Amino acid sequence: EDQVTQSPEALRLQEGESSSLNCSYTVSGLRGLFWYRQDPGKGPEFLFTLYSAGEEKEKERLKATLTKKESFLHITAPKPEDSATYLCAVQYYYGGSQGNLIFGKGTKLSVKP
Amino acid sequence: GAVVSQHPSWVICKSGTSVKIECRSLDFQATTMFWYRQFPKQSLMLMATSNEGSKATYEQGVEKDKFLINHASLTLSTLTVTSAHPEDSSFYICSARDGTGRSELFFGSGTQLSVL
Repeated sequence: EDQVTQSPEALRLQEGESSSLNCSYTVSGLRGLFWYRQDPGKGPEFLFTLYSAGEEKEKERLKATLTKKESFLHITAPKPEDSATYLCAVQYYYGGSQGNLIFGKGTKLSVKP
Repeated sequence: GAVVSQHPSWVICKSGTSVKIECRSLDFQATTMFWYRQFPKQSLMLMATSNEGSKATYEQGVEKDKFLINHASLTLSTLTVTSAHPEDSSFYICSARDGTGRSELFFGSGTQLSVL
């Protein structure tokens, strides 16, 4: 059973067309939820960490929010350079210690000019 | 953020040969590094945790004799794919935490391995 599910799998937007990506998780004892951006053939680039429900983080055109069951990555007025795969990962308490990150499969975002 | 350097970026090798991938933390010391594997359109899957000065911890299903990990210093971890076969072809990525207590991982640029 997937513990981290991202949707949609792919998203095509026109430049300036705002939208949201979803990351739902089923783990209990969430320690942190992370968003990364990954360009083709590259390693993931860290964007945000969210720790508790209600928390929000912003960076340029991106805003990440967190509830008890899911997180959203909102993209406002995207530009072609925002095209990438966006990965969500969760970390939960495991055996009293810091657990590893569990990644979703990502959402591939394409922004057309 | 912390900088993790990984090389080579890509490597092509013949079946049966071994390939070594290096992962360095450039501006911090990393007692622990993590090696991931990624297939197209799939999640990053943790292969092993590399511990400086001690044996690596491998995830279930990962062959420790095939994927040799050496963490000889606080800034360098290496992954050696021994006797590589075509099914080992994948994108390998290393990562580390920056040592400040933060939870996020910082990733290298990845290595695309193609075994012919």
